[in-house]
Amino acid sequence: AQKVTQAQTEISVVEKEDVTLDCVYETRDTTYYLFWYKQPPSGELVFLIRRNSFDEQNEISGRYSWNFQKSTSSFNFTITASQVVDSAVYFCALSGSNDYKLSFGAGTTVTVRA
Amino acid sequence: DTEVTQTPKHLVMGMTNKKSLKCEQHMGHRAMYWYKQKAKKPPELMFVYSYEKLSINESVPSRFSPECPNSSLLNLHLHALQPEDSALYLCASSGRLGGSPLHFGNGTRLTVT
Repeated sequence: AQKVTQAQTEISVVEKEDVTLDCVYETRDTTYYLFWYKQPPSGELVFLIRRNSFDEQNEISGRYSWNFQKSTSSFNFTITASQVVDSAVYFCALSGSNDYKLSFGAGTTVTVRA
Repeated sequence: DTEVTQTPKHLVMGMTNKKSLKCEQHMGHRAMYWYKQKAKKPPELMFVYSYEKLSINESVPSRFSPECPNSSLLNLHLHALQPEDSALYLCASSGRLGGSPLHFGNGTRLTVT
């Protein structure tokens, strides 16, 4: 069985602060994929990043960065210099290599105050 | 702009009504999905179509009936719904089985009265 845990339910910060969202996963698959999605109040789930289990390189995209550590089964997400537009629910998700089903974490609600 | 288009954006229906949700994608994806999302919860998978054939039905009640007329379109027919079916219904598509990111539409906010 696959499981994704996002222990932080809500995070509130002031603009320009950094925010780190934790994601811990469980799987028995040797090949798997990890994802982060953003869901703003409008409702659409926006794909942010995919990582496969063989690629532990960290990635940076603008103000977003991701830290994948297989040793601790974690795939954490950091928003640097947060902005009000970053306010959303962020979901971490996991799938196997031959699996249609995405296992979502419970989500972390990020509120960035001006 | 989203590449997966869902209509309508909002729908209010009575328990005796019949309505349909529509989803369209033009990315050439061969897998399409329906998800249901309640407030403050993650999306829950309902159905998966692969190459226009139903691959997965997550034990969804028969009052929800999916249909995939062609590789670009996905419908969800609703009949005799209950108030607890009120939720955000999300359509998604992906390029292949497993590992391919899902691209979601904006969703339909359904209220059953």
